[in-house]
Amino acid sequence: QSVLTQPPSVSAAPGQKVTISCSGSSSNIGYHYVSWYQQLPGTAPKLLIYDNNSRPSGIPDRFSGSKSGTSATLGITGLQTGDEADYYCGTWDSSLNAVLFGGGTKLTVL
Amino acid sequence: EVLVVESGGGVIRPGGSLRLSCAASGFTFDDFDMSWVRQAPGKGLEWVSTINWNGGSTAYAESVKGRFTISRDNAKNSLYLQMSSLRAEDTAFYHCARGIAGFNPHYYYYMDVWGKGTTVTVSS
Repeated sequence: QSVLTQPPSVSAAPGQKVTISCSGSSSNIGYHYVSWYQQLPGTAPKLLIYDNNSRPSGIPDRFSGSKSGTSATLGITGLQTGDEADYYCGTWDSSLNAVLFGGGTKLTVL
Repeated sequence: EVLVVESGGGVIRPGGSLRLSCAASGFTFDDFDMSWVRQAPGKGLEWVSTINWNGGSTAYAESVKGRFTISRDNAKNSLYLQMSSLRAEDTAFYHCARGIAGFNPHYYYYMDVWGKGTTVTVSS
């Protein structure tokens, strides 16, 4: 059971928009920046979003991040079949002195 | 090209020890924190350990504290994870990752470069 809670799965049609939530507490998301990672099948995780809403170079603006209180959200617009992957939120927890990841959300593009 | 490549995985009996290595290239290694993250078969990501740029500060997940030791050799651009008293639940893919850390104003930490990983299987 992860300290950061994500829905196990989400789905949407190609071209549509989807959001993935990540819920935490005041010692983690409520106080620290959130990052998001994409893991395509059989590959290493890849940084998608850092500092709640910043994108590394090379990440298209179809991917966006936001944070409000103790929750964060990853948004993906213009869905493509190539976006099918597992998505993880991550942050620091100052009570646990640990890096935390959410349990992961499997995105299916129908 | 910025790259981190893990090695040293294998099959080990419960109670045994194993040392993982991670070779970094394409960036100034001692400018960055480094971490190990693992992923059990069919499961999500689990942070294992982090070490700061000069090895002076380390942090561990409760699940490995006292059994695993992270270290680095900046002269060799290498990161290590010494694992002992291994258990079946340590079976996982182990990724090495470059960390970005700081205060703005609160502490932040994320991982921007990941290796493909090395497999550790603990089984009798």
